[in-house]
Amino acid sequence: GAGVSQSPRYKVAKRGQDVALRCDPISGHVSLFWYQQALGQGPEFLTYFQNEAQLDKSGLPSDRFFAERPEGSVSTLKIQRTQQEDSAVYLCASSLSRPIAAANTGELFFGEGSRLTVL
Amino acid sequence: GNSVTQMEGPVTLSEEAFLTINCTYTATGYPSLFWYVQYPGEGLQLLLKATKADDKGSNKGFEATYRKETTSFHLEKGSVQVSDSAVYFCALRRNAGGTSYGKLTFGQGTILTVHP
Repeated sequence: GAGVSQSPRYKVAKRGQDVALRCDPISGHVSLFWYQQALGQGPEFLTYFQNEAQLDKSGLPSDRFFAERPEGSVSTLKIQRTQQEDSAVYLCASSLSRPIAAANTGELFFGEGSRLTVL
Repeated sequence: GNSVTQMEGPVTLSEEAFLTINCTYTATGYPSLFWYVQYPGEGLQLLLKATKADDKGSNKGFEATYRKETTSFHLEKGSVQVSDSAVYFCALRRNAGGTSYGKLTFGQGTILTVHP
């Protein structure tokens, strides 16, 4: 497709269930980010991939959160044993280039997000 | 650490009014600064950017100037339209170098509603 595609758009889970959120970045994009956006807040960084390598996972809030991008294209964010505080919109963004220059500002293209509600 | 603070909303204006949304930041070094916009039911879109001090980003009638001395990047538009109703996010990106890869740090967002 032309843009970043995320699925499902909406997910309702019971507390304790595992969920998987998928991101299809723009074809050929090297960099991929996951963000978490709580209601009324700005997006917060979760993790970053450069191709298949997960270079930064410092934003993942707990070991219940796991992300992968095994072939350097599609990425999956998995949340195990979901809790109510996990309720948020999960955003995926991709960028064509990997940052190699001090002033690199390659544009990030965002998907529409997956809204997770944990009951 | 890096942080971005935006003026609290929501902001409600009449069509053709002047808009200012304040944004200040805290960062080490010389970050790049961005405004993103999120229209209802859509994903975040880049509105404008500035990569160094005194740069002015502009797009769709919106402008913002990178002010290093006041660590600010206020968004302005001279005459808003109903179609500008959206959520606006200020963000910074520490420039790449070494092990940095330029992740974005966002403000909390400002809801703008423009009435006819």
